[in-house]
Amino acid sequence: EIMMTQSPAIVSVSPGDGATLSCRASQSVNNNLAWYQQKPGQAPRLLIYGIFTRATGVPDRFSGSGSGTDFTLTINSLQSEDLAVYYCQQYSGWPLTFGGGTKVEIK
Amino acid sequence: QLHLQESGSGLVKPSQTLSLTCTVSGGFINSGGYSWNWIRQSPLKGLEWIGYISQSGATYYNPSLKSRVTISLDVSKNQFSLTLTSVTAADTASYYCARDATRSGYPYYFDHWGLGTLVIVSS
Repeated sequence: EIMMTQSPAIVSVSPGDGATLSCRASQSVNNNLAWYQQKPGQAPRLLIYGIFTRATGVPDRFSGSGSGTDFTLTINSLQSEDLAVYYCQQYSGWPLTFGGGTKVEIK
Repeated sequence: QLHLQESGSGLVKPSQTLSLTCTVSGGFINSGGYSWNWIRQSPLKGLEWIGYISQSGATYYNPSLKSRVTISLDVSKNQFSLTLTSVTAADTASYYCARDATRSGYPYYFDHWGLGTLVIVSS
C-alpha cells in the first residue's frame, strides 16, 4: 500500500496571500496524483488530477506541481471561500490511498 | 447533471451487517464505462477507499476490508450497494459513494460524490 503524507497539518493564511500544501508518497506514483477540497459538512470536491490538470470549474488560482514522490498544491490569492481541508490521493496502485489532509485556515 | 445519493442504516449494532445503497440519477450506471466506488471517512482513519465495481460487475476491495465487504450493482434500479459484515466501532464513519472521472472502467480519481451518510456502530 502506498502511504501518502501531507504537511503541514494546518496552515493559516491571510486573504490575498498564497498557500503551499505538500504531499509525499512512500513510493513513486508517477503522474497519478489528485487533489481534493473538502469544506465543512460537504463531500470532497475534485480539484486537480494528473498532478497539475484542473478539474472543470476549478479557479486558476489553484495549481499543482511535483513529480515522483513529492507534490505541491499552491493556492494563490487565497479567498475566504478557500477555507477547507485539502487532500491528496494517489491512483498509481491499489488500494487507492489518501493523505491525512491539510486544513487551510483564514487569518 | 449526475447526482449520487446514499441511503441505508445509520445505526448498526456491533457484529451486525452494515448495508448502504447509492442511487444514481442523471445518468445510467451501466453506460459510459465508469467505475462506481465506496469511500469512507472517519476521524481515526481519514479518507479510506473501500472498493469499486465496474459496469460489467468486476470488483476490487481494499485488502484491509476484503474479507467483510461486498459491492454489488442493480442496473434495473440504477443503484449500487455496499455490504460490510461483522462491524465494530472502528467502522463508524461517514460513507460516500463516488464515480470515477475516467471512462476506463477502473478507479482512478473521483469527480462525482454523494453527500455522504453517517453510520454509527453502537449497541
